[in-house]
Amino acid sequence: GNSVTQMEGPVTLSEEAFLTINCTYTATGYPSLFWYVQYPGEGLQLLLKATKADDKGSNKGFEATYRKETTSFHLEKGSVQVSDSAVYFCALSDQTAGSYQLTFGKGTKLSVIP
Amino acid sequence: DTEVTQTPKHLVMGMTNKKSLKCEQHMGHRAMYWYKQKAKKPPELMFVYSYEKLSINESVPSRFSPECPNSSLLNLHLHALQPEDSALYLCASSQGGQEGTGELFFGEGSRLTVL
Repeated sequence: GNSVTQMEGPVTLSEEAFLTINCTYTATGYPSLFWYVQYPGEGLQLLLKATKADDKGSNKGFEATYRKETTSFHLEKGSVQVSDSAVYFCALSDQTAGSYQLTFGKGTKLSVIP
Repeated sequence: DTEVTQTPKHLVMGMTNKKSLKCEQHMGHRAMYWYKQKAKKPPELMFVYSYEKLSINESVPSRFSPECPNSSLLNLHLHALQPEDSALYLCASSQGGQEGTGELFFGEGSRLTVL
């Protein structure tokens, strides 16, 4: 079956530091890959996505590249802000019977301190 | 309109109560989902409706009863819940299979407390 492994943290960084959250996956076929973010007390928001190998997703200064050869989708940001403090989930999406099945990683809690 | 709207945002209920969670989307999506999320965990899939028919039930106890009255609405009826059912319940929607990129759009969630 499908699985997603991401570094679990928590991760604490100072403002303007560089961020990497590692994510690797196991899947049959060619899934789409996603990073979702969950701010305290809120639902999940899509941060970025990539639908095929070598695609780079980007949004709000965050980037991740779909690497088929290493089955990875690592999240990076060059300079984090306090407002980036949240839980980040890596996920893959597999099509099934008229809908999509998301497989989530366990989540990484990021805290950014001033 | 790219929103999934859930009501209520917070719900407190006793173990003998009957209540419902509601979810609405107007993006023309044909698949809708209920997830349960406990603190510090990823969301866990409960139910999937595809084209208004229940297509996936992840062995959820019968005290949770989903309903999809039409393609825009999804309900979750709650009855005789247990304190361990306290969690954030997330609704999501997506395009039907083969129509989209696999992205699910999530609502803000309904935070349920069972006393």
